[in-house]
Amino acid sequence: SQQGEEDPQALSIQEGENATMNCSYKTSINNLQWYRQNSGRGLVHLILIRSNEREKHSGRLRVTLDTSKKSSSLLITASRAADTASYFCATDAWDSGYSTLTFGKGTMLLVSP
Amino acid sequence: NAGVTQTPKFQVLKTGQSMTLQCAQDMNHEYMSWYRQDPGMGLRLIHYSVGAGITDQGEVPNGYNVSRSTTEDFPLRLLSAAPSQTSVYFCASTPGLGGLGYTFGSGTRLTVV
Repeated sequence: SQQGEEDPQALSIQEGENATMNCSYKTSINNLQWYRQNSGRGLVHLILIRSNEREKHSGRLRVTLDTSKKSSSLLITASRAADTASYFCATDAWDSGYSTLTFGKGTMLLVSP
Repeated sequence: NAGVTQTPKFQVLKTGQSMTLQCAQDMNHEYMSWYRQDPGMGLRLIHYSVGAGITDQGEVPNGYNVSRSTTEDFPLRLLSAAPSQTSVYFCASTPGLGGLGYTFGSGTRLTVV
């Protein structure tokens, strides 16, 4: 079953604008991860935030985590056409002591020049 | 480093045929996983392994077999292909429970006719 649900399903913006994607999940987690997938390619790990962290930055990426609301957001600042891709959140719950990722359905981001 | 290598990239099978999707990683990662990606469904976990000789089922294991005889290799076997197994398959690995994110292969696009 899907753990994470991204919102919106699709997002279209202009270059230079900020893009915000949200993720909600259902059960307790150890960490939450965001991945990017360019069309026809594999997934690329962007950033990981642990359950005891509230915010994390990496370059133009900012991730927040609210465990009380079981939600996370990914902000991409000053978007570029090269940011066009699908973005997935994935929760890592360490069930039974093992790490397994559960993915949402993704947000398709289109950044127009 | 090659990372995670999947072969083949594309495959067409007839219903009832069997085949093995290959996955190899050269990062000495303990954890390896197989996912399938279907339109509108995100990624779903098929099988995973926490080390050589140890495998377990994920969310959608029916029709698939795995084994892990070495740290490097984690092949996925389709026992008797069905049209419902038409999908894109991704192999991924991570060092362990350190919360370091997963490295994905570039995928195998499988069509069962």
